[in-house]
Amino acid sequence: GAGVSQSPSNKVTEKGKDVELRCDPISGHTALYWYRQSLGQGLEFLIYFQGNSAPDKSGLPSDRFSAERTGGSVSTLTIQRTQQEDSAVYLCASSLGLARTQYFGPGTRLLVL
Amino acid sequence: EDQVTQSPEALRLQEGESSSLNCSYTVSGLRGLFWYRQDPGKGPEFLFTLYSAGEEKEKERLKATLTKKESFLHITAPKPEDSATYLCAVQAWSPSVEGGSEKLVFGKGTKLTVNP
Repeated sequence: GAGVSQSPSNKVTEKGKDVELRCDPISGHTALYWYRQSLGQGLEFLIYFQGNSAPDKSGLPSDRFSAERTGGSVSTLTIQRTQQEDSAVYLCASSLGLARTQYFGPGTRLLVL
Repeated sequence: EDQVTQSPEALRLQEGESSSLNCSYTVSGLRGLFWYRQDPGKGPEFLFTLYSAGEEKEKERLKATLTKKESFLHITAPKPEDSATYLCAVQAWSPSVEGGSEKLVFGKGTKLTVNP
């Protein structure tokens, strides 16, 4: 079946602009996660959703970052007033439920000039 | 704070030359340890989950083992197509989150290159 899909695959933006990244989880997966992978760094947790609720937002680096999930499916990660340090690969994962294996999408490569 | 350290950072093997990758972890309480494989430009691909010390899992040329402090990913007679970055991650029990924390804490990975 179809895996996790993310769009766009690549995004180049100018410093100060807002960007929206989209994630479509595997059908039937109730939990959805966002991670960030920077050069030289490991994957860092940002936020996760169970249904449309976000019980853990502890990884969001600043109030410029926000995320929402609608209909228990698609999620959008929004970065406002982008900075160069926001350049990274943003990865989305989904799982059948809590404490279950997380399956990752291909990521969105964000470059802030 | 939960931490994961992987070693070595990079490993070059000849085809057929077996070796092991190490993942050392520090967590308040281990809920699960995960191994993923990541190819350049792609998202991590799930390999194994281990839950308790002494557990072992195998898949083709890969075997993952777990102790109370570390996990090993053994690669037997590797082939060039095994070249990738291997990531280790832990999921921990958290006193502040009912049922435990859902986030995965990742190491920085081991980049494996297998030469023909």
